[in-house]
Amino acid sequence: EVQLVQSGAEVKKPGESLKISCKGSGYTFPTYWIGWVRQMPGKGLEWMGVIYPGDSDTRYSPSFQGQVTISADKSISTAYLQWSSLKASDTAMYYCARSPAGIAAPGSRSFDIWGQGTMVTVSS
Amino acid sequence: EIVLTQSPGTLSLSPGERATLSCRASQSVSSSYLAWYQQKPGQAPRLLIFGASSRATGIPDRFSGSGSETDFTLTISRLEPEDFAVYYCQQYGSSLWTFGQGTKVEIK
Repeated sequence: EVQLVQSGAEVKKPGESLKISCKGSGYTFPTYWIGWVRQMPGKGLEWMGVIYPGDSDTRYSPSFQGQVTISADKSISTAYLQWSSLKASDTAMYYCARSPAGIAAPGSRSFDIWGQGTMVTVSS
Repeated sequence: EIVLTQSPGTLSLSPGERATLSCRASQSVSSSYLAWYQQKPGQAPRLLIFGASSRATGIPDRFSGSGSETDFTLTISRLEPEDFAVYYCQQYGSSLWTFGQGTKVEIK
């Protein structure tokens, strides 16, 4: 079964650092983009960025550039989303999702498999 | 950056009715890279349509997508009780992905 399994919920204080994870299984992890999507409470989906684990090519939304770091370790089929200094406004559900990479691949650039989400709460 | 605007914000319909959801792009989008998702409360989004009109695996044929360039439509031919949810469009272009703000389909 193809799946993405995310790390568990986190409760942090403002100013703390955090790294959450997304582990893929059931498919060739390095050959699909992994994207990260934020959903603030009661709000819509916001694309944050993507990484291609095969060569670590990373793209960021202008809204999130410099605010987070996306990385991946293809040897353990895991992608990461990292903050160096959390703010209360980072409180949200964070999803990882897989995107077919080939230009001509069916579903290319859509997100066909999603993780279950990681809830991050930042509060003093 | 391409902005996607979905309308209406909320659609109030009864089971069995037809739902028509709109997604308008601020500039032309490749049809190959326009997708639709469904999200129910407490769940991750689910891919419904990719390439503007192709149904994802396991998606019932009451869901259909159409459109090109800047105007795209998701149609649900006859609403089932499980179809009441929030729907998002998403596009890729110039190395950036973006989502629309969503349309909520609620029971009238």
